[in-house]
Amino acid sequence: TQLLEQSPQFLSIQEGENLTVYCNSSSVFSSLQWYRQEPGEGPVLLVTVVTGGEVKKLKRLTFQFGDARKDSSLHITAAQPGDTGLYLCAGYNSGYALNFGKGTSLLVTP
Amino acid sequence: ETGVTQSPTHLIKTRGQQVTLRCSSQSGHNTVSWYQQALGQGPQFIFQYYREEENGRGNFPPRFSGLQFPNYSSELNVNALELDDSALYLCASSFSGGVADTQYFGPGTRLTVL
Repeated sequence: TQLLEQSPQFLSIQEGENLTVYCNSSSVFSSLQWYRQEPGEGPVLLVTVVTGGEVKKLKRLTFQFGDARKDSSLHITAAQPGDTGLYLCAGYNSGYALNFGKGTSLLVTP
Repeated sequence: ETGVTQSPTHLIKTRGQQVTLRCSSQSGHNTVSWYQQALGQGPQFIFQYYREEENGRGNFPPRFSGLQFPNYSSELNVNALELDDSALYLCASSFSGGVADTQYFGPGTRLTVL
């Protein structure tokens, strides 16, 4: 059973467009993390959100944690080809294991 | 500061064989977690080692086993390989072995079972 559901699964957009990726769960998480993974590489941590309602910005990326700490979103403004990759959300539900979603595969074309 | 490294990069085995994957944790980290990432999926937690002891385990059979050494490096061993074991195996290191630690991932070992 996948604790975290990500949507959309695939996204292909042109450079300059905006996009939003969603991460949803029926479970409450103490924190949620967003990672980006490129082919042949391990996931790289982008941000951790901890407080319900929290918004964090990382240059053109905006991350939001839902008030009930069950969902999160990632918004990218003016996407660039360098944003291409697999975006994964992950969270600690209980214990030591990070639970990952299946990811959103983003392709940004020039 | 040296990041997480894994070896080998790629590996091809046949069904029924055994495999050992290796991970060197980031400098200053004492906890190692292993994940399996099948094609098109997110990583799945296998187990975690903290101070040379297994600290938690995911839904994987006993033929998946591990070790952590005094220098905090780690091995993942898989016996009696099955076709479904083909995946990217990721190692992640962190500092304290506590809940919600920030984990830093290595580049992974791509295992193909024929």
